[in-house]
Amino acid sequence: KAGVTQTPRYLIKTRGQQVTLSCSPISGHRSVSWYQQTPGQGLQFLFEYFSETQRNKGNFPGRFSGRQFSNSRSEMNVSTLELGDSALYLCASSLLTDTQYFGPGTRLTVL
Amino acid sequence: GQQVMQIPQYQHVQEGEDFTTYCNSSTTLSNIQWYKQRPGGHPVFLIQLVKSGEVKKQKRLTFQFGEAKKNSSLHITATQTTDVGTYFCAGEKDSNYQLIWGAGTKLIIKP
Repeated sequence: KAGVTQTPRYLIKTRGQQVTLSCSPISGHRSVSWYQQTPGQGLQFLFEYFSETQRNKGNFPGRFSGRQFSNSRSEMNVSTLELGDSALYLCASSLLTDTQYFGPGTRLTVL
Repeated sequence: GQQVMQIPQYQHVQEGEDFTTYCNSSTTLSNIQWYKQRPGGHPVFLIQLVKSGEVKKQKRLTFQFGEAKKNSSLHITATQTTDVGTYFCAGEKDSNYQLIWGAGTKLIIKP
């Protein structure tokens, strides 16, 4: 069974730009969660989608948004990028809310 | 708000010494999961504990879930260089389908 894939793996943007990250979950998984990870900050929960509906949301500003498509693939968008948005963005898929299978992440650098 | 406190933040051990990380929740959890993230990698699921007082073992790793289902620990006996990484706990609170993550404990093996 193929694992969780994320594209792109690396991205460099400048302040003020916007970015869209993509996540393809394991086949059959309906839940996709997004996390931001910065050095020494652990995993900060962004949001979770289940069957195309946002089910949970973390404490991030409205510049961070996401969506899930009918095939369970998910996208995350960050508008008006700030230097502090530089991080590893991880997505994780699960059947319901059990074991989370993480993708390799997208490393975003904002200059 | 809901929190899972994880301590210590870092632990330096000599190879062969034991290692323990602890997680404490302010509220009762329906289950707790443990993940390991190797340097440069993504979190990988280790185990899930569901029952009050549950103890599970995986080779040199011992996982415990407290009687009140508010705390958990991971103990590694006789650490090896392959154990290096950051260990995260993640607790699920009843009925809201959201995992609350600890900040992680970074295990460092002293040369």
